[in-house]
Amino acid sequence: QQQVKQSPQSLIVQKGGISIINCAYENTAFDYFPWYQQFPGKGPALLIAIRPDVSEKKEGRFTISFNKSAKQFSLHIMDSQPGDSATYFCAATQGAQKLVFGQGTRLTINP
Amino acid sequence: EAGVVQSPRYKIIEKKQPVAFWCNPISGHNTLYWYRQNLGQGPELLIRYENEEAVDDSQLPKDRFSAERLKGVDSTLKIQPAELGDSAVYLCASSSILDTQYFGPGTRLTVL
Repeated sequence: QQQVKQSPQSLIVQKGGISIINCAYENTAFDYFPWYQQFPGKGPALLIAIRPDVSEKKEGRFTISFNKSAKQFSLHIMDSQPGDSATYFCAATQGAQKLVFGQGTRLTINP
Repeated sequence: EAGVVQSPRYKIIEKKQPVAFWCNPISGHNTLYWYRQNLGQGPELLIRYENEEAVDDSQLPKDRFSAERLKGVDSTLKIQPAELGDSAVYLCASSSILDTQYFGPGTRLTVL
């Protein structure tokens, strides 16, 4: 019940396209859903986050869509750029305790 | 504002040797976390501190791993003795109460 399932494992998108990464969770007590971006040799960096009282949050080219009834949330990267190539992790937490991470998606943006 | 600082960045040791990792959290952050990230996977929590108290160490292999956070600031994670399966990146993160977790760059451990 603590798992967060993420898909796809890897994704290749052309420059300017839309990248979509999906996550699903089981624990309805989760109340905070962040997305982290990780470059090789670096620690995860917070990209964008959402709480379950809203269905969508947008920050620049990054949007989280949240479906509470389906227990699913997704990250959309609009106008994807080569600099967006990284590994993306969805995560969930209850009361800012431990983050439960998805398995990660390696995103490659082809120029 | 300085981020989470970790050292060393890389460590290569022989199995059965001890190793220690150090973390300095963001100033003012009460909560400190140690995560382990295996290759190709997401980080998994090892231990969480609220100030100097370990409030969640359920995932810490206590037979060989130990951690401390003296004075509620810096923290050290130790492995003794190290095993081949301990090769991973060890990440430290910190947060204010009920706030976003900020990660350090991690220590990449290789056990030969």
